[in-house]
Amino acid sequence: DSGVTQTPKHLITATGQRVTLRCSPRSGDLSVYWYQQSLDQGLQFLIQYYNGEERAKGNILERFSAQQFPDLHSELNLSSLELGDSALYFCASSAKTGQHTDTQYFGPGTRLTVL
Amino acid sequence: AQSVTQLDSQVPVFEEAPVELRCNYSSSVSVYLFWYVQYPNQGLQLLLKYLSGSTLVKGINGFEAEFNKSQTSFHLRKPSVHISDTAEYFCAVGGRGSTLGRLYFGRGTQLTVWP
Repeated sequence: DSGVTQTPKHLITATGQRVTLRCSPRSGDLSVYWYQQSLDQGLQFLIQYYNGEERAKGNILERFSAQQFPDLHSELNLSSLELGDSALYFCASSAKTGQHTDTQYFGPGTRLTVL
Repeated sequence: AQSVTQLDSQVPVFEEAPVELRCNYSSSVSVYLFWYVQYPNQGLQLLLKYLSGSTLVKGINGFEAEFNKSQTSFHLRKPSVHISDTAEYFCAVGGRGSTLGRLYFGRGTQLTVWP
């Protein structure tokens, strides 16, 4: 158990809908990262937050957005869902702002299925 | 930009045999390298990481990896595998500069250990 929790574990929804994925980092970790794992693209970095502020953006679609709240949990919002958004979404956390010396601890993921 | 190539998508081996999972990276700057393991229905767990110093890195569960700058490789090895090592293994390179903190993953290698 990494200490990172993600809810829900599974999510099934229809095209055009909007969903919210939730992540609670390890106790004391300030950085949260979101990754998408799909058969087409593999594991891809989406976005990083540090202590409530966006720090880095990767291959995140405009239909997707995220935020980190004062209690440090994070939410990833996916809207106007398409079939191709079906994937496993991972959240990871680390202690600091993404220094290379920090290990990223991954949660168990949320499997999103868009029908 | 950084990228990672895992040369084998699947590696089948018998129990107690040695194994090597190959990883090559490309980067215009010095890198930080990682190996993660993903067991079925779980998140990613860090096996080991190379930041600097000794090119031979030892990780958990008896795994080790060797950083070879001239060949831009970071191959993962274990002298004797167990059934419980069956999992997917991901090589990743850590971003530098403006991409500091994010990880760039390879497509993964499925290691299957047979009795």
